[in-house]
Amino acid sequence: DTEVTQTPKHLVMGMTNKKSLKCEQHMGHRAMYWYKQKAKKPPELMFVYSYEKLSINESVPSRFSPECPNSSLLNLHLHALQPEDSALYLCASSHLWVRGPANTGELFFGEGSRLTVL
Amino acid sequence: AQSVAQPEDQVNVAEGNPLTVKCTYSVSGNPYLFWYVQYPNRGLQFLLKYITGDNLVKGSYGFEAEFNKSQTSFHLKKPSALVSDSALYFCAVRGTRLMNRDDKIIFGKGTRLHILP
Repeated sequence: DTEVTQTPKHLVMGMTNKKSLKCEQHMGHRAMYWYKQKAKKPPELMFVYSYEKLSINESVPSRFSPECPNSSLLNLHLHALQPEDSALYLCASSHLWVRGPANTGELFFGEGSRLTVL
Repeated sequence: AQSVAQPEDQVNVAEGNPLTVKCTYSVSGNPYLFWYVQYPNRGLQFLLKYITGDNLVKGSYGFEAEFNKSQTSFHLKKPSALVSDSALYFCAVRGTRLMNRDDKIIFGKGTRLHILP
């Protein structure tokens, strides 16, 4: 069982809709991530939050808007999406990456939210 | 720049036989290496990691991986495959430069493991 919880598991939306994906973790991790995964492909990093601040944005279109309200929650707000945005959206968390074997920064993933844009 | 290669799109193994899923990497500094498994319509599950120390690391579900610095490889292995091992496997690497933007975890393209009954 994963300790990273994502809701909803499935989402169907039109191109004019506004929706949000939610992610929650209670492992005390201070880094949280959004990944996008197309079928049979590796996850692609979208955003990284460290200490609730956006630290990495991988040139993601503005129709995706992340938010980190507190250290346990991560949201991804969706607006005016395109059909090609249909994918599995994965949330992950980790301890902050600090050099040394005490913290290796492996990611813990949620089960994902499968998004279909019509 | 960091990179990781999984040369096989798919590996087929008969149940009970040993399995190997290959991974090679390129990274600045000493690598932190990971294997993840993904079952259909599920998230990625962490299997094992190599940080330092013994070249053979053991992980979940009877999997192990062998780190070979000279060949820059980190192959995943299991002595006796189960049908339930059929899944998509990702190798991943992280460099060790402190708090550098490039120190993201980079995933290989994945290898589909198919265990034949």
